[in-house]
Amino acid sequence: DAKTTQPPSMDCAEGRAANLPCNHSTISGNEYVYWYRQIHSQGPQYIIHGLKNNETNEMASLIITEDRKSSTLILPHATLRDTAVYYCIVRGNAGGTSYGKLTFGQGTILTVHP
Amino acid sequence: DGGITQSPKYLFRKEGQNVTLSCEQNLNHDAMYWYRQDPGQGLRLIYYSQIVNDFQKGDIAEGYSVSREKKESFPLTVTSAQKNPTAFYLCASSIPLTTSSTDTQYFGPGTRLTVL
Repeated sequence: DAKTTQPPSMDCAEGRAANLPCNHSTISGNEYVYWYRQIHSQGPQYIIHGLKNNETNEMASLIITEDRKSSTLILPHATLRDTAVYYCIVRGNAGGTSYGKLTFGQGTILTVHP
Repeated sequence: DGGITQSPKYLFRKEGQNVTLSCEQNLNHDAMYWYRQDPGQGLRLIYYSQIVNDFQKGDIAEGYSVSREKKESFPLTVTSAQKNPTAFYLCASSIPLTTSSTDTQYFGPGTRLTVL
């Protein structure tokens, strides 16, 4: 699976959009971009994933650049409950050697303040 | 509600004792996983199972054992052979990968094991 690079920490004001970047310059054509978050002492929560096109769900939007070497997770109206560690993960489909394994890096600590 | 449950949330054991962590899911997922997380670290895969009665070692399987007798259940036993068992243990499940899809793993709330 491709390696990802994220800033170690970010701040955001409550009610504003939080834009979390992720670089994955070695991503290959069949690898997806996944985002999870983990609130302290809880299990990771799935947020969104995408391959090429931008994606949106009830939690967030995922913007993937045309060359797929970077992406941005957007929380449109951040709340205090969105304070968590956000992980960007790149992984492929079946047939690769990374079956089953989600490789979590250090992630970005997002702090939403009043 | 569909989801993954892990019990208990906190577990304390004396050194040298085996302990079994429970993981149950009602999502009708075929694949299940066990990860370990240490403070300030990412997740490391212990074992995974793609289907009932089958499981594979992950990156750090030594000192652990699993069983998969039912689709809904994937218990993890931390044996006395595990050198540093104190950690946060996470169970996940997913629809298995196929050659033309990707899977999304959903996690349980975790069990924090402390060995005294």
